[in-house]
Amino acid sequence: DAGITQSPRHKVTETGTPVTLRCHQTENHRYMYWYRQDPGHGLRLIHYSYGVKDTDKGEVSDGYSVSRSKTEDFLLTLESATSSQTSVYFCAISESIQDRASDTQYFGPGTRLTVL
Amino acid sequence: AQSVSQHNHHVILSEAASLELGCNYSYGGTVNLFWYVQYPGQHLQLLLKYFSGDPLVKGIKGFEAEFIKSKFSFNLRKPSVQWSDTAEYFCAVNEFSGNTPLVFGKGTRLSVIA
Repeated sequence: DAGITQSPRHKVTETGTPVTLRCHQTENHRYMYWYRQDPGHGLRLIHYSYGVKDTDKGEVSDGYSVSRSKTEDFLLTLESATSSQTSVYFCAISESIQDRASDTQYFGPGTRLTVL
Repeated sequence: AQSVSQHNHHVILSEAASLELGCNYSYGGTVNLFWYVQYPGQHLQLLLKYFSGDPLVKGIKGFEAEFIKSKFSFNLRKPSVQWSDTAEYFCAVNEFSGNTPLVFGKGTRLSVIA
């Protein structure tokens, strides 16, 4: 398995509180991604990063922000959590090959977030 | 924009039955195609991938998939399923060239019964 950890693995929070999820990799891969997984929707991309301080929005970015100050860490922040953000969040990484993302992504173990 | 359709939401099979899960994508250019598997309570793992060459791709655990360009399809097959194949299966696609993230289908849940 690729060296990807996510923390926390489980979190319960209340509506309106800020939440930060962390993805940490030991592979030194350039590209990192945050997805959410919901029944009937599969995985949907929230944000991704193509390098330190370089990020872009995905399909469902509203209500989320990200930061990447180091290659190994990619943080996902919910500024004010809502019940619709209850989900399982997966981080993924891919390496850079000839300055473009490798075709293969490797996934972390996931964080289950419940917003009450 | 790319999209991926997985036609079967939930498939129930008996052990030793043959499996075929459908996947169609919409994109006019050259693509990379993937099948990922997620066993209960676990993260996604790559099952197989196609990016060029032989359109019949063999993956882990006896799975294979065939890319049919004219049909924009990449169906997953296994001749004889086992109880341990119970999982959710996701088809995904991204552009062959450029730094585009994966687009996933909604997944197909496979339940294999004894």
